[in-house]
Amino acid sequence: DAGVIQSPRHEVTEMGQEVTLRCKPISGHNSLFWYRQTMMRGLELLIYFNNNVPIDDSGMPEDRFSAKMPNASFSTLKIQPSEPRDSAVYFCASRTQGSNTGELFFGEGSRLTVL
Amino acid sequence: AQKVTQAQTEISVVEKEDVTLDCVYETRDTTYYLFWYKQPPSGELVFLIRRNSFDEQNEISGRYSWNFQKSTSSFNFTITASQVVDSAVYFCALILNTGGFKTIFGAGTRLFVKA
Repeated sequence: DAGVIQSPRHEVTEMGQEVTLRCKPISGHNSLFWYRQTMMRGLELLIYFNNNVPIDDSGMPEDRFSAKMPNASFSTLKIQPSEPRDSAVYFCASRTQGSNTGELFFGEGSRLTVL
Repeated sequence: AQKVTQAQTEISVVEKEDVTLDCVYETRDTTYYLFWYKQPPSGELVFLIRRNSFDEQNEISGRYSWNFQKSTSSFNFTITASQVVDSAVYFCALILNTGGFKTIFGAGTRLFVKA
């Protein structure tokens, strides 16, 4: 079975450019999470969706960040304009249907470097 | 407030030694769920175990064991006879029924196992 699929795996961009990270959750999972991992701040929850609806976006750092989930099989995290401090590994994770307290299944992450 | 503390930033052991990774959590909820995840050098996060707050029974899975003690709000993880392949960052995590079922991660403990 395919796991959570993220793209791109690596992105290098220049400050000011728009960045779009993509995620395909595991089929049948109805909760999707975006996390950011840095050495300084560890794993931070940015936003999560239940049934394609954003439930909590309190972790989104600022208006430059936005996330969408147009359907059950696809989500995007967009940064516009990007800044060097956005450099991090961004993880997408999904959780199985009907299990709000179940384990998360993570993608391999998208490593973003903003120069 | 809910919080997960992993006080050990890094631990270094020699192969075949036993090692315990500490996790202390804070919550006023009576129902909650605790997790351990492993992040090997390849970067993906892998689920290891889930425990609910009503089940204090310790668990053993091969060389891994977990000690859950509500009296001290701890959920410690022990690796017996460590191996080089155990080298990774290990995260403890918490889900509350309140707070929208967000998964809250500790800062992680980096384990080095030397041959």
